[in-house]
Amino acid sequence: DVKVTQSSRYLVKRTGEKVFLECVQDMDHENMFWYRQDPGLGLRLIYFSYDVKMKEKGDIPEGYSVSREKKERFSLILESASTNQTSMYLCASSLSFDRAPYEQYFGPGTRLTVT
Amino acid sequence: QQPVQSPQAVILREGEDAVINCSSSKALYSVHWYRQKHGEAPVFLMILLKGGEQKGHEKISASFNEKKQQSSLYLTASQLSYSGTYFCGTGGRDFFGSSNTGKLIFGQGTTLQVKP
Repeated sequence: DVKVTQSSRYLVKRTGEKVFLECVQDMDHENMFWYRQDPGLGLRLIYFSYDVKMKEKGDIPEGYSVSREKKERFSLILESASTNQTSMYLCASSLSFDRAPYEQYFGPGTRLTVT
Repeated sequence: QQPVQSPQAVILREGEDAVINCSSSKALYSVHWYRQKHGEAPVFLMILLKGGEQKGHEKISASFNEKKQQSSLYLTASQLSYSGTYFCGTGGRDFFGSSNTGKLIFGQGTTLQVKP
């Protein structure tokens, strides 16, 4: 079974702090994704990566950056946390863009609260 | 641009049927369906590819109408375990200039509650 783990289930940070969210997958997947989930807005893509050190902006990248130094690990960084970044953050991975299976496997999520 | 799901919420009795729709303003090349139970991660249900056939999974099936840029998820004889939020994720030809089914744009979700 594919396993995607995230470093914390719950996190509370103060405004202006630098925040690191970590995600690890154990199935040698090429692609990794960071989403945020807010009520009524569904899952919105922040960034994704299709290879080590490669990254692409998603739909809402402002205020975030990412790092992928190893294939299995994808980090989301909030350079200066703000209250409007309070949300559920979900990490996902998928095998590849150009061969099946295409489904994304999600981690359990990190509930981040910025006060 | 996010696809639009309808309805936003639906309440059923066990054994009843439901349809969840997903509409996009952009041309679609793939549609994924996921279900997220309360407090859990989203789980993949099925994928429909352009030119592909209708997919099924037990009593859950889906269709893909390329011309209308729509997909529908059909839940037949619903069970309590079907409760959760259903998301469609749409993929388009926007990455490497090829038909890419990896990067998805998700809808806002449809909450389904099945009561005994």
